[in-house]
Amino acid sequence: KAGVTQTPRYLIKTRGQQVTLSCSPISGHRSVSWYQQTPGQGLQFLFEYFSETQRNKGNFPGRFSGRQFSNSRSEMNVSTLELGDSALYLCASSFSTITRGNEQFFGPGTRLTVL
Amino acid sequence: AQKITQTQPGMFVQEKEAVTLDCTYDTSDPSYGLFWYKQPSSGEMIFLIYQGSYDQQNATEGRYSLNFQKARKSANLVISASQLGDSAMYFCAMRENTGNQFYFGTGTSLTVIP
Repeated sequence: KAGVTQTPRYLIKTRGQQVTLSCSPISGHRSVSWYQQTPGQGLQFLFEYFSETQRNKGNFPGRFSGRQFSNSRSEMNVSTLELGDSALYLCASSFSTITRGNEQFFGPGTRLTVL
Repeated sequence: AQKITQTQPGMFVQEKEAVTLDCTYDTSDPSYGLFWYKQPSSGEMIFLIYQGSYDQQNATEGRYSLNFQKARKSANLVISASQLGDSAMYFCAMRENTGNQFYFGTGTSLTVIP
């Protein structure tokens, strides 16, 4: 069974631009969660999608948004990029929602650098 | 207040010895879940173990066990018979049912010495 895949793996953008990251979950998994990891703030939960609906949301500004398609693939969009958005963005999939304690499988992450 | 506190930025353990990684949490939600993840230098997060707030017994998964002390709000990870491949960052995390938030600690870097 293929694992969670994220594209692209590395990305360099400039301030003010927008970016879209993609995540393909493990086949059969319906929940996709996104996390931001930075040296200063550590790992922070962004949001979770389940069956194309946003189920949970972390404490991030509206510039961070996401969506999930009918095949469970998910995209995360960040608009008006700021230097502080430079981070490793991790995606995780699980069979059910994270609220049921199901094991999450993480992808390798997308390393975003904002110049 | 921090939702998850990991007070050990770095830990060293001799190969084949056991090691305990500390984690305390803060929540007023009666229903919550606690998780431990391992992040090797490759960057990928690996799920290790889960403990539900209503679980009566401590969770165990192979060489990993979670020492759950609910009254103390502590969820320490115990790794028995450490192996060189255990060298990694370890994160404690909590999911609250109310608000459905998911919080991570700052992590503990574990180094296993041959």
